[in-house]
Amino acid sequence: NAGVTQTPKFQVLKTGQSMTLQCAQDMNHNSMYWYRQDPGMGLRLIYYSASEGTTDKGEVPNGYNVSRLNKREFSLRLESAAPSQTSVYFCASSETTGYNEQFFGPGTRLTVL
Amino acid sequence: ILNVEQSPQSLHVQEGDSTNFTCSFPSSNFYALHWYRWETAKSPEALFVMTLNGDEKKKGRISATLNTKEGYSYLYIKGSQPEDSATYLCAPIQGAQKLVFGQGTRLTINP
Repeated sequence: NAGVTQTPKFQVLKTGQSMTLQCAQDMNHNSMYWYRQDPGMGLRLIYYSASEGTTDKGEVPNGYNVSRLNKREFSLRLESAAPSQTSVYFCASSETTGYNEQFFGPGTRLTVL
Repeated sequence: ILNVEQSPQSLHVQEGDSTNFTCSFPSSNFYALHWYRWETAKSPEALFVMTLNGDEKKKGRISATLNTKEGYSYLYIKGSQPEDSATYLCAPIQGAQKLVFGQGTRLTINP
């Protein structure tokens, strides 16, 4: 039972390059989330998917797109990376939104030069 | 976006001492509040989900209380141990779906 997995663990991009961060969970959770963590800013929600087939914007969605590929997988895409997107990205999942605790993946450290 | 404040930002406590810290949030339209524990180089882990005014939760030496009328929650740690060193995050829920995290209280336990 791996919980929430994320790939890659580390990535360095040049400004303007694109990439997709992958996230998968094996807990049969309905809801999945993408957060970014920056020094002094805490965790900020980028996008979330309350259930398979739905996605909604969080606090900081600009510059990102997401795809809920199926119930297990939720990917985050940076179409044209910018230095301001240098951050640690965490994926999380929960049984449903609201009352249920969230389970976090190990994070992806992204640097955009 | 909810304004969530945690205080203090950092705290140093002697091993064996008890401590507490605060999460403040807008009291209107309260839905639920989460507490997470985040150790350095790891991922956040859930401690409690609190839902009712006057709700109290306990897990071992850690407990939490909730006052939704005035918009605050306290986290208490009794008899601090070195393994309690971590950042503690609170996150009230906006619109019944989205967590809004505070910046956390960084707790360091001195042996």
